[in-house]
Amino acid sequence: AQSVTQLGSHVSVSEGALVLLRCNYSSSVPPYLFWYVQYPNQGLQLLLKYTSAATLVKGINGFEAEFKKSETSFHLTKPSAHMSDAAEYFCAVTVNTGNQFYFGTGTSLTVIP
Amino acid sequence: ETGVTQTPRHLVMGMTNKKSLKCEQHLGHNAMYWYKQSAKKPLELMFVYNFKEQTENNSVPSRFSPECPNSSHLFLHLHTLQPEDSALYLCASSERGLTADTQYFGPGTRLTVL
Repeated sequence: AQSVTQLGSHVSVSEGALVLLRCNYSSSVPPYLFWYVQYPNQGLQLLLKYTSAATLVKGINGFEAEFKKSETSFHLTKPSAHMSDAAEYFCAVTVNTGNQFYFGTGTSLTVIP
Repeated sequence: ETGVTQTPRHLVMGMTNKKSLKCEQHLGHNAMYWYKQSAKKPLELMFVYNFKEQTENNSVPSRFSPECPNSSHLFLHLHTLQPEDSALYLCASSERGLTADTQYFGPGTRLTVL
């Protein structure tokens, strides 16, 4: 079975500062990894995904994530936070032969002006 | 309408009521999903339909009954729910079921069970 752990249920950064949201995964087979964002009163929207191609994945809105197999991590970063980045962020994992899709508990990002 | 739509957006029901949630996707996808989102808990995958066939049922209580009449529509029929069933119910769709294909989510139905 697979799982993801998101360290830090709440993260606050100043506008213009680096955003780093942590995700560690557990999988006995090569995983597919995703980051989704949820704005208030909305569904989830895909930011980016890793599907065994390039380990550095670039997504929408200036976000990127790096797949590190040795660290079983898939942390999300953005060089400069914008007020509009304030939202809930979810990491998720599945596998090619799997029948499940596992989400983390989410990280709420606050951007301080 | 574009994307994935869900109705109603909010629903309050008593434990003896029967209600249904509706989801419609306008993306031409073949797979549809129901998720439950509760506070402080990971999203829970409830049901998966692939080409109108139910492929997953993650030990969901029988008081939740899904229906997928075609690839574009998905329903969740609710009866004799419990207060702990109060949550945000999200519908999603993807081109194929439970693969690396991107899932597109609706805005959800906020359910309150009294």
